[in-house]
Amino acid sequence: RKEVEQDPGPFNVPEGATVAFNCTYSNSASQSFFWYRQDCRKEPKLLMSVYSSGNEDGRFTAQLNRASQYISLLIRDSKLSDSATYLCVVARTGNQFYFGTGTSLTVIP
Amino acid sequence: DAGITQSPRHKVTETGTPVTLRCHQTENHRYMYWYRQDPGHGLRLIHYSYGVKDTDKGEVSDGYSVSRSKTEDFLLTLESATSSQTSVYFCAISDGTGPNQPQHFGDGTRLSIL
Repeated sequence: RKEVEQDPGPFNVPEGATVAFNCTYSNSASQSFFWYRQDCRKEPKLLMSVYSSGNEDGRFTAQLNRASQYISLLIRDSKLSDSATYLCVVARTGNQFYFGTGTSLTVIP
Repeated sequence: DAGITQSPRHKVTETGTPVTLRCHQTENHRYMYWYRQDPGHGLRLIHYSYGVKDTDKGEVSDGYSVSRSKTEDFLLTLESATSSQTSVYFCAISDGTGPNQPQHFGDGTRLSIL
């Protein structure tokens, strides 16, 4: 079983829409959780960390459910510039990071 | 942006030749990683380092070796490149000072083995 699983999409949504991505992880010992954004032919960039209480950064909201072992990312009021691949990342003790294969988002004018 | 420089950015070489990729950081972070990214597989860990001269294997380490002789540099070597090693290679760093410390990535190296 993969450490981290994501729906690959693609998600095609109109500008202004709200879109949500989910990610599940298999190891209950996982300690830290992140969402990264990766543009085509570029490096992954940290979008936000995910905290147990949930956290928000502008139009982006991340949630963590440890009991069900899933992480979510909600994007409100989608912009064309949000088009990218979103990677779910889980970390464990010893700075071991595990990546999902990514969810592709295209925001359509 | 995190101070991570990968070199070269692009390389084309022939099967059987040795190739060395360099990752240089200016953040004094303890942990450094090498990943490859291929369509359908996402990011896969090749090797990582948790300090000078301290390295360990990742998920796809066969055919690769690494060295870290100083904090700021982490080298990835393909001793005898094969076409299956054509990929995009990313270096990442993390400071390892506690939980919730993310990784930061270099710009990547596009390597083609003909």
